[in-house]
Amino acid sequence: SQQGEEDPQALSIQEGENATMNCSYKTSINNLQWYRQNSGRGLVHLILIRSNEREKHSGRLRVTLDTSKKSSSLLITASRAADTASYFCATGNYGGATNKLIFGTGTLLAVQP
Amino acid sequence: DAGVTQSPTHLIKTRGQQVTLRCSPKSGHDTVSWYQQALGQGPQFIFQYYEEEERQRGNFPDRFSGHQFPNYSSELNVNALLLGDSALYLCASSLWTTWEQYFGPGTRLTVT
Repeated sequence: SQQGEEDPQALSIQEGENATMNCSYKTSINNLQWYRQNSGRGLVHLILIRSNEREKHSGRLRVTLDTSKKSSSLLITASRAADTASYFCATGNYGGATNKLIFGTGTLLAVQP
Repeated sequence: DAGVTQSPTHLIKTRGQQVTLRCSPKSGHDTVSWYQQALGQGPQFIFQYYEEEERQRGNFPDRFSGHQFPNYSSELNVNALLLGDSALYLCASSLWTTWEQYFGPGTRLTVT
């Protein structure tokens, strides 16, 4: 079963605009990660935010985490056509000794040139 | 430095057959996880291997089994294939002590 749900399911913007994707999850977490997937191939790790962090930046990416609302958002600034991909949030959960990830349903981002 | 590699890239099988998928982790990594991704869905955790043992398992039947070798590479075996097993199978490697996972390009399995 999926841990999280992403919103929106699909997003279409123009190059240069900002894109915001949201993720909600259900259980307590150790961390939350965002991944990108191009054309149904392998996933690329973008950024990890720990449960005791509220905001993190990496280049044009900004991630926020609100553990009280069990939600996170990913902001991509000044988007480019190459940012066109599916974006997934994944939670690393407490319980068990493994670094198992539970993925959300994904947001399909299309950046029009 | 090679990343995570998977073979084969594509595979077509018929119902009832068995399949083996292979994964070589990123250099220096000791943990391999397998995920199944149906079309239009997020990846779902199948199981994870560390020190040649299955450490945790997702909600998948016993038809799904795996193995990790001393060189950290791994295999995923699926017996008695069903049409619903058609999916992209992703291998991810990591260090046992870290959370970031590095994914391979996946194996596209089609069951007819």
